[in-house]
Amino acid sequence: QQQVKQSPQSLIVQKGGIPIINCAYENTAFDYFPWYQQFPGKGPALLIAIRPDVSEKKEGRFTISFNKSAKQFSLHIMDSQPGDSATYFCAASKGGYQKVTFGTGTKLQVIP
Amino acid sequence: GAVVSQHPSWVICKSGTSVKIECRSLDFQATTMFWYRQFPKQSLMLMATSNEGSKATYEQGVEKDKFLINHASLTLSTLTVTSAHPEDSSFYICSASDTGTGNSPLHFGNGTRLTVT
Repeated sequence: QQQVKQSPQSLIVQKGGIPIINCAYENTAFDYFPWYQQFPGKGPALLIAIRPDVSEKKEGRFTISFNKSAKQFSLHIMDSQPGDSATYFCAASKGGYQKVTFGTGTKLQVIP
Repeated sequence: GAVVSQHPSWVICKSGTSVKIECRSLDFQATTMFWYRQFPKQSLMLMATSNEGSKATYEQGVEKDKFLINHASLTLSTLTVTSAHPEDSSFYICSASDTGTGNSPLHFGNGTRLTVT
């Protein structure tokens, strides 16, 4: 049972492009939605996170859009760079920051 | 910033032996730590929640006698894979948040690559 569905599985964009990764969740009790970036052989690192009381959050080149009624949220990476090439995971949790459920991951490749 | 350190970063062991993986919060205290398992090109699957001074809570389908967790202090949790078999080969990752700052985001270690031959 996958509580957080993520798409696409992989994505290739050119430098400067705006990759968009989408996630959908089922459990309406989720109240915290983080995005993580993972490089090969490393643990995930928190990129940005949002709570359902706002529809958008921006930090640097990363923006989360959140649609509570549709139970969907997405990550946009502005002016993408080759260094952004990594696997991105959306996640969700309820009752705080602690126990998160991860999406299936999106492998992003930014080509020069 | 908060750092979570895992050791070793990789380990190779023979089938039937046990392997211990350490997870340390270097500059903060963590009442709770989490252990995940990640297969190649797949997502992180939560294995168990490690609670300082008490028994770990295991997710459904995770054998608690196979994956022993000890959280003896506020900065250290260990995962021991007992009687390891090739199917236990995986990437194991721990995470923790700063107990002292209330709602603190999770910080992840860099993982341990276990290969059982």
